[in-house]
Amino acid sequence: EIVLTQSPATLSLSPGERATLSCRASQSVSNYLAWYQQKAGQAPRLLIYDASNRATGIPARFSGSGSGTDFTLTISSLEPEDFAVYFCQQRSTWPRTFGRGTKLEIK
Amino acid sequence: EVQLVESGGGLVKPGGSLRLSCAASGFTFSDYSMNWVRQAPGKGLEWVSSISATSYYIYYADSVKGRFTISRENAKNSLFLQMKFLRAEDTAVYYCVQSRSLEYYFDYWGQGTLVTVSS
Repeated sequence: EIVLTQSPATLSLSPGERATLSCRASQSVSNYLAWYQQKAGQAPRLLIYDASNRATGIPARFSGSGSGTDFTLTISSLEPEDFAVYFCQQRSTWPRTFGRGTKLEIK
Repeated sequence: EVQLVESGGGLVKPGGSLRLSCAASGFTFSDYSMNWVRQAPGKGLEWVSSISATSYYIYYADSVKGRFTISRENAKNSLFLQMKFLRAEDTAVYYCVQSRSLEYYFDYWGQGTLVTVSS
């Protein structure tokens, strides 16, 4: 099973700042990686698919990069509604696996 | 608009059974793969099971294999998860999730139904 390690576990930033979240895979997943956002009390929402493509309706301030084993989600300028938990997920192999998440909190 | 509404969660004793349902609307259900993903209280996401549009392909996480059965009824736009021999570690919110294919991501999520396994 592919293990996805997200860092940091918690990121404290202020609105307007840039956020950089990391996801590292235990083996190559090519570009078969997605990012999800989960706000408190809500279901997750697909943000980025295939490492760098924004899902429908996702603002341009969200971007993804990486391939192989190292991936990054960047939020260029944080809006108040961006403070949430972010998960990465791979679809390279079964079982599908998720990272443990990065909590983005207001500083 | 895609809508996925789960039901059937509740409190069950260890060793017991429960059947979850998911009612889908707003898309052609028979064209999409479907999945169950769970989240233990305060924890991360865990993929549970996936089923292809025609039910030909089915996958399970090792943690539920032999205990859970995924199924679907395309004529009724419904997805199911039959859970048996439940354990405390199965306690979680169970999400019904749509995917455009088995080889894709989790596109749309329901709001989830809580399953609590406790004596």
